[in-house]
Amino acid sequence: AQSVTQLGSHVSVSEGALVLLRCNYSSSVPPYLFWYVQYPNQGLQLLLKYTSAATLVKGINGFEAEFKKSETSFHLTKPSAHMSDAAEYFCAVSQPGGSQGNLIFGKGTKLSVKP
Amino acid sequence: EAEVAQSPRYKITEKSQAVAFWCDPISGHATLYWYRQILGQGPELLVQFQDESVVDDSQLPKDRFSAERLKGVDSTLKIQPAELGDSAMYLCASSWKPMNTEAFFGQGTRLTVV
Repeated sequence: AQSVTQLGSHVSVSEGALVLLRCNYSSSVPPYLFWYVQYPNQGLQLLLKYTSAATLVKGINGFEAEFKKSETSFHLTKPSAHMSDAAEYFCAVSQPGGSQGNLIFGKGTKLSVKP
Repeated sequence: EAEVAQSPRYKITEKSQAVAFWCDPISGHATLYWYRQILGQGPELLVQFQDESVVDDSQLPKDRFSAERLKGVDSTLKIQPAELGDSAMYLCASSWKPMNTEAFFGQGTRLTVV
């Protein structure tokens, strides 16, 4: 069975600092991987996704993530945090070749950005 | 910009009452999903439709939850009777087709059961 672990339920960075949100997956085969962002009382917005093409994936708002099969990881990074990045971030997996909307989510990491 | 519409945005209901949520997917999207997100957790898939057919409802508590998409367009999720533990955000998402296209989420319905 697939699962997702997000290390750190809460991460705090200063404005302009590096953002690193960690995600590890458990799957018998490399899954498709996604990062979503959620603002308070809002739905989820897709930041980026990995579907077995390039291992370094660039997304919206300056975010990127690298798929590392040997580490079963898909960490999300952004070189310089902005106040508007404060939100909750979810890592998710789906079956390769399966529905990209049939997702297993991690518990989320809340990102705070200090001025 | 096309978006997934959900209503109501907020709902307060008493336990043992019936409650329903409505979702209108992006036009042309054949696949529709309902997720439940308990506070402080990630969303959990309840049901997936392909057109009007259910393709995955393995996590749907069928004793009290039901979902339908009669004409393969909009969908309704119902809870009867509601329990305190059903308090959560209910998210609807849709995708053009199940494979190779990501899902787009609506803003959700926040349910509080008192």
